[in-house]
Amino acid sequence: EDQVTQSPEALRLQEGESSSLNCSYTVSGLRGLFWYRQDPGKGPEFLFTLYSAGEEKEKERLKATLTKKESFLHITAPKPEDSATYLCAAINAGNMLTFGGGTRLMVKP
Amino acid sequence: SQTIHQWPATLVQPVGSPLSLECTVEGTSNPNLYWYRQAAGRGLQLLFYSVGIGQISSEVPQNLSASRPQDRQFILSSKKLLLSDSGFYLCAWSDWGRSSYGYTFGSGTRLTVV
Repeated sequence: EDQVTQSPEALRLQEGESSSLNCSYTVSGLRGLFWYRQDPGKGPEFLFTLYSAGEEKEKERLKATLTKKESFLHITAPKPEDSATYLCAAINAGNMLTFGGGTRLMVKP
Repeated sequence: SQTIHQWPATLVQPVGSPLSLECTVEGTSNPNLYWYRQAAGRGLQLLFYSVGIGQISSEVPQNLSASRPQDRQFILSSKKLLLSDSGFYLCAWSDWGRSSYGYTFGSGTRLTVV
């Protein structure tokens, strides 16, 4: 059974304090690893797709990386508007998506 | 561009009442469609998915059902709601294989069963 585990469950940062969110996965025939941002009461918003180990993608203060066992979402000099829940999800060889439980990020000014 | 519409945004229903949530997608054809439920502070649980009209697969035995009467319409239903059906319901579509965006989600329906 595919599994995706995110850590930590919650993370409090001061504005400007860089950190990383972890997503470890056990997936049969990984075809892609996604990161989403979810604001309270809203649907997840797509951030990145990573396809293979060693791949990196960046968007503003966010950078996502992928290894054979885990993915990291690095947040550089975060701002209060980066506060949200970040979800990772893995798609397997059968095109089924498995989500992690999410990391709730709170950035204080 | 593709858009996904989901309604209503919030719903308060008594126990034992019926449920109908609707989701429509625009700007694409033959999408894969999904219903997810998200409990407070938890990840997303896949409830149903559909690869075509009238084709529904259920991932979790439950009090809910789904239908796909048209190519870009997906409906989540229940004949009699339970308290445990409360949650945040999300519809999503995917054309994985033709795009790299994974799944695109609607804005969600907050269902409270009282």
